[in-house]
Amino acid sequence: QKEVEQDPGPLSVPEGAIVSLNCTYSNSAFQYFMWYRQYSRKGPELLMYTYSSGNKEDGRFTAQVDKSSKYISLFIRDSQPSDSATYLCAMRRPSGTYKYIFGTGTRLKVLA
Amino acid sequence: NAGVTQTPKFQVLKTGQSMTLQCAQDMNHEYMSWYRQDPGMGLRLIHYSVGAGITDQGEVPNGYNVSRSTTEDFPLRLLSAAPSQTSVYFCASSYSDTDTQYFGPGTRLTVL
Repeated sequence: QKEVEQDPGPLSVPEGAIVSLNCTYSNSAFQYFMWYRQYSRKGPELLMYTYSSGNKEDGRFTAQVDKSSKYISLFIRDSQPSDSATYLCAMRRPSGTYKYIFGTGTRLKVLA
Repeated sequence: NAGVTQTPKFQVLKTGQSMTLQCAQDMNHEYMSWYRQDPGMGLRLIHYSVGAGITDQGEVPNGYNVSRSTTEDFPLRLLSAAPSQTSVYFCASSYSDTDTQYFGPGTRLTVL
């Protein structure tokens, strides 16, 4: 079993829709949780970075962490065609280890 | 700032050849990593470094060597290329172990 599971999609939504992207994980030691956006043939770029449980909002993006369920989510409000990309979740253990574990990524297409 | 740069962008090797993938950053980051990205596998950590002269193995280190003689550069060496090393390779860097990771544009490697 992989430490981090993520549905690969593809996920197609109409412009303006609310998008929900999710990852589950098995290692309860993970404390830092990240979401990256990767456009085709580009490197990943960090969207959201959260520590432990709770919600974090940044513009149209909201990241949620539920450590009791080992489940993290990224919500995108008012989705735009420019949001079409692959979204990768990532997580790592507490400070002192520099090993990130990535999900396989979910491909999102927002239709105009 | 150029950020994280990688060369070459594309490379084709024959089985058994060796080569070095170059990575450089101009942000004075102590932490640097090499990942490979394969379809359905996500990003997997190959090697990482927490400062000049300090390196450690990641999830998939076999067949790869690294060294870190300067803060700026973190080259990845393929000792004897195999078709299983066909992949997209990303280098990343961060200021600290809890800071944002910045990724380079990637090197697409094909081993025939």
